[in-house]
Amino acid sequence: ETGVTQSPTHLIKTRGQQVTLRCSSQSGHNTVSWYQQALGQGPQFIFQYYREEENGRGNFPPRFSGLQFPNYSSELNVNALELDDSALYLCASSTTTYEQYFGPGTRLTVT
Amino acid sequence: AQSVTQPDIHITVSEGASLELRCNYSYGATPYLFWYVQSPGQGLQLLLKYFSGDTLVQGIKGFEAEFKRSQSSFNLRKPSVHWSDAAEYFCAVGVGSARQLTFGSGTQLTVLP
Repeated sequence: ETGVTQSPTHLIKTRGQQVTLRCSSQSGHNTVSWYQQALGQGPQFIFQYYREEENGRGNFPPRFSGLQFPNYSSELNVNALELDDSALYLCASSTTTYEQYFGPGTRLTVT
Repeated sequence: AQSVTQPDIHITVSEGASLELRCNYSYGATPYLFWYVQSPGQGLQLLLKYFSGDTLVQGIKGFEAEFKRSQSSFNLRKPSVHWSDAAEYFCAVGVGSARQLTFGSGTQLTVLP
């Protein structure tokens, strides 16, 4: 059974740029959630995708957007990057339950 | 709105000693409760979960947690800590139509030899 994978592992962007992060869900999981984890804090829910549609959203501005593909993989896009967007971005996959399985994360640094 | 409190930012224990990490939640109904562990620079690994039924739940790596409705708590315990248990531990509540997780701020565990 393949777990959740994320790419890239690390990346560095400049303020104002755009970034795309990718996530492949665990086999058999049809739901993908994205979380932002700032340094020294717990993860915060960004949004969730189910059947290729956004299924819920946390307190994040519209410049955070996403996609889910027919194979249940997902992308997180962030436009107009700000310094405060520097964080570990975690993807989690699940079925129709609350039990979520996390990938290793993408470390984004905005300079 | 739901919230999760982990009162202890940092806990230090000696190897072989027992461990209890505290978690309190605020939510109107019986929540779905989770404990995750995160090693430095890594993602989160699910240790255990409580959905319903027996209030004492067993997880991986010898961890257990007890749900106490009257105290709105879900404390994590381990009878004998190993050096490899050093990590950050997060308590989480599952709520909402999207079944999203709300996390506490975490407890950093240091294990002394």
